[in-house]
Amino acid sequence: EVQVVESGGDLVQPGGSLRLSCAASGIMFSNFNMNWERQAPGKGLEWVSYISVDSNTIYYADSVKGRFTISRDNAKNSLYLQMNSLRAEDTAVYYCAINGIWGQGTMVTVSS
Amino acid sequence: DIQMTQSPSSLSASVGDRVTITCRASQGIRNDLGWYQQKPGKAPKRLIYAASSLQSGVPSRFSGSGSGTEFTLTISSLQPEDFATYYCLQYNSFPRTFGGGTKVEIK
Repeated sequence: EVQVVESGGDLVQPGGSLRLSCAASGIMFSNFNMNWERQAPGKGLEWVSYISVDSNTIYYADSVKGRFTISRDNAKNSLYLQMNSLRAEDTAVYYCAINGIWGQGTMVTVSS
Repeated sequence: DIQMTQSPSSLSASVGDRVTITCRASQGIRNDLGWYQQKPGKAPKRLIYAASSLQSGVPSRFSGSGSGTEFTLTISSLQPEDFATYYCLQYNSFPRTFGGGTKVEIK
């Protein structure tokens, strides 16, 4: 059974940093391109970032470009999102998904 | 950026009804579209990928169709567990973009 588990969400002050992790099991992680998506409270879904299987191709939403960094470790079946210079508008549940299977998400709250 | 216009934004329907939700892309996206179901407090669940392919384990009452700029999600006979919010997602080009969502409520 494929399982996806996100972690690392927390309450952080504006301007602060967080590192999110996503661990996948039951599937060949290294075969899949990966994305982070997010959902602000009461709002719709928003794509955040993409990384290819070999980490050679990376894209970011304009809203996070220059502040967030996506990475992966295929040996550890893990995906990461380093989030710097956090803003109130980054408050959301952050999700990763592999082959259409989404994790339960991790909550990031940016507030003083 | 490709804009995804989803309609309606909400609908009321009864158990057993046939329900249709539409997404229109601002430019052609071939069949690079997925449909997702989300229940309150839960993660999204992919129902359809490549516009018309059913995700493993998803009931056959869900179907998708379309190509290019117009896409449809159909629920052939609405069940109590289908009351949720539905989103389309285009993955033809970056940034990936979601439709605004359709909330399916009990009539």
